[in-house]
Amino acid sequence: GQSLEQPSEVTAVEGAIVQINCTYQTSGFYGLSWYQQHDGGAPTFLSYNALDGLEETGRFSSFLSRSDSYGYLLLQELQMKDSASYFCAVSDYNQGGKLIFGQGTELSVKP
Amino acid sequence: GAGVSQSPSNKVTEKGKDVELRCDPISGHTALYWYRQSLGQGLEFLIYFQGNSAPDKSGLPSDRFSAERTGGSVSTLTIQRTQQEDSAVYLCASKRRPGQGAYNEQFFGPGTRLTVL
Repeated sequence: GQSLEQPSEVTAVEGAIVQINCTYQTSGFYGLSWYQQHDGGAPTFLSYNALDGLEETGRFSSFLSRSDSYGYLLLQELQMKDSASYFCAVSDYNQGGKLIFGQGTELSVKP
Repeated sequence: GAGVSQSPSNKVTEKGKDVELRCDPISGHTALYWYRQSLGQGLEFLIYFQGNSAPDKSGLPSDRFSAERTGGSVSTLTIQRTQQEDSAVYLCASKRRPGQGAYNEQFFGPGTRLTVL
């Protein structure tokens, strides 16, 4: 089967940098994605990594190391609006097109 | 353009009743997913439709749960004889044709909050 581990909560201050880690176990790893979900809202796609390395999109970056079965989401210049839950999700070529999500990390940004 | 829509937004039902939840995906998207999210938890995969292929039902928790997708568009998730443990937010997502957009980019609807009394 598949499993993902990420911290349940992280707290940081406005303007700081925060890293949310995700480790995964899956037999046919295809890619790692990150989604953001504000309280009561729909999850929204942030990033996708299929190859090792860092992908940068504005203030958000995502990293993948396939050999370590590990990835992280890096949020820079934190803003209050970044307070949300962040989910990593893996796709597995043995599992077709579905995504398996982690339990989520609740990020609280303090002033 | 219009996003994924779901109806109803909230549903309160009594234990033992059947419920139907509806999802309208983004026009032109070929894949459709249903997930369940309990309070403070991650997204639990339920079922996945891709084009005209047989759906992947591997996440359905029991035979009380079923889903169909008519005409490759609208989908209905049906829960028969609801139980209190079925209370959750049911999320629908759609995805573009393979080769379009990021591989894992799914577009989510706002969800249906189901409460079983």
